[in-house]
Amino acid sequence: SQTIHQWPATLVQPVGSPLSLECTVEGTSNPNLYWYRQAAGRGLQLLFYSVGIGQISSEVPQNLSASRPQDRQFILSSKKLLLSDSGFYLCAWSVHQTVNTEAFFGQGTRLTVV
Amino acid sequence: AQKITQTQPGMFVQEKEAVTLDCTYDTSDPSYGLFWYKQPSSGEMIFLIYQGSYDQQNATEGRYSLNFQKARKSANLVISASQLGDSAMYFCAMRPPNSGAGSYQLTFGKGTKLSVIP
Repeated sequence: SQTIHQWPATLVQPVGSPLSLECTVEGTSNPNLYWYRQAAGRGLQLLFYSVGIGQISSEVPQNLSASRPQDRQFILSSKKLLLSDSGFYLCAWSVHQTVNTEAFFGQGTRLTVV
Repeated sequence: AQKITQTQPGMFVQEKEAVTLDCTYDTSDPSYGLFWYKQPSSGEMIFLIYQGSYDQQNATEGRYSLNFQKARKSANLVISASQLGDSAMYFCAMRPPNSGAGSYQLTFGKGTKLSVIP
């Protein structure tokens, strides 16, 4: 069966520090991968998606970047964190681009920038 | 652009009773998918149920059913026989058909917090 791992679960980082969140998927090949952010009391906002190794699309201009060095690995990064980067970050994967394909989410990373 | 509206910030339901969580959407696309996710306090987003815009019947998954009224653009989630473990945030989401190659641009509502009372 397919599983998705995301770490760390919680993270407290000072303003200006770098960030690296990692997500890996097991049990499937060539998944679509996504990074979402959820601000407190809000729905999810799509940040990045990837359809293959090295292929990254950004949905929202921001202080963050994403990379996909391997088929089932997706990394969210920042060179210098801002206070506004605080939030709950969720990685997700899906099989194909069809209307009825659900996304499967990781456990999330709660990031607090201080 | 797509938009999802969940008008109930919070709901309470007695254990073993049924509850309906409202969701309305706005899209000009004739083909789309509607999803409901559950987010417990742990944070994980758990997929519950899916409804396609061309599906003739309302979707059902165990105690979850979707009351889909296409003309009204509503896709309400019905949870029957509520359990204490159903206490969580519930999000309605929509995916349009033409989101670009391989993308999965789910548009989420702001969610409804459901509290099940013993």
